[in-house]
Amino acid sequence: GAGVSQSPSNKVTEKGKDVELRCDPISGHTALYWYRQSLGQGLEFLIYFQGNSAPDKSGLPSDRFSAERTGGSVSTLTIQRTQQEDSAVYLCASSSHREPTSNEQFFGPGTRLTVL
Amino acid sequence: AQRVTQPEKLLSVFKGAPVELKCNYSYSGSPELFWYVQYSRQRLQLLLRHISRESIKGFTADLNKGETSFHLKKPFAQEEDSAMYYCALSEQRGSYIPTFGRGTSLIVHP
Repeated sequence: GAGVSQSPSNKVTEKGKDVELRCDPISGHTALYWYRQSLGQGLEFLIYFQGNSAPDKSGLPSDRFSAERTGGSVSTLTIQRTQQEDSAVYLCASSSHREPTSNEQFFGPGTRLTVL
Repeated sequence: AQRVTQPEKLLSVFKGAPVELKCNYSYSGSPELFWYVQYSRQRLQLLLRHISRESIKGFTADLNKGETSFHLKKPFAQEEDSAMYYCALSEQRGSYIPTFGRGTSLIVHP
């Protein structure tokens, strides 16, 4: 079946503008994660959605970052007033939390964000 | 707090040589350990998990609770193994937010 998809694949924006990144998880996966991948920094956890529970936002680096997940499926990550240090690849992953794959993360291709 | 350490940013070997990518973790509960791999221009994907105790593409990893390590090993590296490798830890029960290491870039020279 279809894997996790993300759009756009690339986004170039000017400092100070807002951006929206989209993630479509695997159908039926209740858990959805956003990460930021920077050179030399590995994967930085941003936010986690699980079913209808309140999201875990503990990884969001500032209040300029927010995310929502509508209908338990599609998620959007919004970055307001972008800064150059926001430039990175933003990865989305989903997980079923059911055997046999349990905690395995299924990743999307990422959105490469460049802030000029 | 849980922590995953991959001490090597870059590991460079020749084809046919053994390779070991190190991963150490800090966690007090029952961890579930994973290795993820990202080949050039491909998405991050699971390579193996300690629970399944499999060998994938010739790679194995044994969870050593005494040394809190989960090193990834392959006896004979191939050029197609060149990729970025991430070690990750999750709780077996409870919080599902994994912790990833910073990654090791493996380069296998011909």
